[in-house]
Amino acid sequence: DQQVKQNSPSLSVQEGRISILNCDYTNSMFDYFLWYKKYPAEGPTFLISISSIKDKNEDGRFTVFLNKSAKHLSLHIVPSQPGDSAVYFCAASGNGGSYIPTFGRGTSLIVHP
Amino acid sequence: ETGVTQSPTHLIKTRGQQVTLRCSSQSGHNTVSWYQQALGQGPQFIFQYYREEENGRGNFPPRFSGLQFPNYSSELNVNALELDDSALYLCASSPPLTFGAGSRLTVL
Repeated sequence: DQQVKQNSPSLSVQEGRISILNCDYTNSMFDYFLWYKKYPAEGPTFLISISSIKDKNEDGRFTVFLNKSAKHLSLHIVPSQPGDSAVYFCAASGNGGSYIPTFGRGTSLIVHP
Repeated sequence: ETGVTQSPTHLIKTRGQQVTLRCSSQSGHNTVSWYQQALGQGPQFIFQYYREEENGRGNFPPRFSGLQFPNYSSELNVNALELDDSALYLCASSPPLTFGAGSRLTVL
């Protein structure tokens, strides 16, 4: 039973355009959400996070939006660059105080030059 | 400041064997957790150690065990290997959660 779902295994975008990666969750106890980026042969690296008390968090080209009522979050990358090509994992934590995040299956983003 | 390092990077074992994977935490981090990432899946939480004691465990059988040492380095041990144990094993130290590059285990 997946509590964090990334239903798109892959996404292809042209350089300069917007990339939108989506994530849904089922556990209403989650109150902190994170995005990680993973390049081949490297570990996941933290990208951006959002607390459930907010509905938007922005860091440079990366913005995460949270819709608590829909249990949905999305990561927007504008403008997309070829170096953004990686696997993006959505993760959620909370669940009664536990910081241990639950990860989705990931979305492979390819940004074409 | 060094990051999280894991060894070995790749290894091949056969069913029934035992394996030990090692992890050196990032300087200043006192908590270490281990994740299993099977092909096409996200990282799945195995367990977490804080001050040398296990303080959280995911849905993994007892043949998955671990240790954390006084210098905060850690080991993951898996006994009686099964084919489905083939995966990338990620170590992460925290806070904040910082991953190593992983150890890729293949069980034949």
